[in-house]
Amino acid sequence: DAGVIQSPRHEVTEMGQEVTLRCKPISGHNSLFWYRQTMMRGLELLIYFNNNVPIDDSGMPEDRFSAKMPNASFSTLKIQPSEPRDSAVYFCASSARGHEQYFGPGTRLTVT
Amino acid sequence: GIQVEQSPPDLILQEGANSTLRCNFSDSVNNLQWFHQNPWGQLINLFYIPSGTKQNGRLSATTVATERYSLLYISSSQTTDSGVYFCAVEFINDYKLSFGAGTTVTVRA
Repeated sequence: DAGVIQSPRHEVTEMGQEVTLRCKPISGHNSLFWYRQTMMRGLELLIYFNNNVPIDDSGMPEDRFSAKMPNASFSTLKIQPSEPRDSAVYFCASSARGHEQYFGPGTRLTVT
Repeated sequence: GIQVEQSPPDLILQEGANSTLRCNFSDSVNNLQWFHQNPWGQLINLFYIPSGTKQNGRLSATTVATERYSLLYISSSQTTDSGVYFCAVEFINDYKLSFGAGTTVTVRA
């Protein structure tokens, strides 16, 4: 298996622009997680999907952030409009329920 | 509140040395994982170990669930072992991983 796939790996954008991050989980995994990592706050869970349904989005920082999972093999995290404080590494992870999580390589987002 | 605590926060080793990293957690767990975040930022699974002992090459881990701690052993450390080691737990009746703050390991040649 190719593991969790994320794109793009790096994104540089200007404040106010829309940013879309993409994730393909490991085939057969039914749980998907989006995390954000910063030096100040460490790893934070943003949202959790189970069987394509958002179960907990309490970690999404504000309405500028949205996430979708239209099918079992694809998820997006969108930031609109982006702000400099959104600069971070965004990770997607997947697991089979009750088993270990596997992380993607991350997307390094820089908002100028 | 529910917590995951790792120690020490930082560790500097000479190549070839052995070390032990500790993870304490505050409640019963379904799942415990150790990750290595390498200098390129990748989070690599080391162990899935809610209880018992596992070994993988120079690394081994032990979780004593009844006493709520886990240990990660690094033997004969190499410079490629440098990075941040995270312990993450899934508490009973939860679904998400709670991460410790990590132990930053620097191995010097």
